[in-house]
Amino acid sequence: QVQLVQSGAEVKKPGASVKVSCKASEYTFIGYYIHWVRQAPGQGLEWMGWINPNSGGTNYAQKFQGRVTMTRDTSISTIYLELSRLRSDDTAVYYCARVGGIYYHFDPWGQGTLVTVSS
Amino acid sequence: DIQMTQSPSSLSASVGDRVTITCRASQGIRNDLGWFQQRPGKAPKRLIYAASSLQSGVPSRFSGSGSGTEFTLTISNLQPEDFATYYCLQYLNYPFTFGPGTKVDIK
Repeated sequence: QVQLVQSGAEVKKPGASVKVSCKASEYTFIGYYIHWVRQAPGQGLEWMGWINPNSGGTNYAQKFQGRVTMTRDTSISTIYLELSRLRSDDTAVYYCARVGGIYYHFDPWGQGTLVTVSS
Repeated sequence: DIQMTQSPSSLSASVGDRVTITCRASQGIRNDLGWFQQRPGKAPKRLIYAASSLQSGVPSRFSGSGSGTEFTLTISNLQPEDFATYYCLQYLNYPFTFGPGTKVDIK
């Protein structure tokens, strides 16, 4: 079935960078945008941006501009989220989601990747 | 950015109850709004799109209404699996923005 599988949990020190992967399967990889959403422990959902796997074009939330990079490798149907200059408040579960259609159907989602930033 | 608010932030209800959650946008968003359910430790799942359209496979006890700046999610005949946190999301403008969530727990 259509699936997004994310990389495993990460522990990073403040100031470091993290790169999370999201591997797509069982659908046409370049046919759907991938959005990233994060959720700090016990908190709500926060939209981070999207990447167009076909063109590589991106749209980032202003809050993350300059620190976030979304890329793709079409040869292995994988999307990457890189976040730099990590702070403790970047500790969160990071989700990728396939989004398509005029009503922005968020389906499916990856299982989430916990990134912990701690000294 | 469009700010989304939800009320209440939490509520307690019993199986079989009817529950209503409200979401408000800081400016008009037409009907470009979705509702998501999130169970603990799981990824969100969309229930409603375009404010009132039921996602395929979602039980008909879930319904949405509203347009512009005020929206509601109603769960009729609450079931045990419905105890979760619910979020609204506007997708009219970037950045997309979620409401802060409404936690529905068992009375």
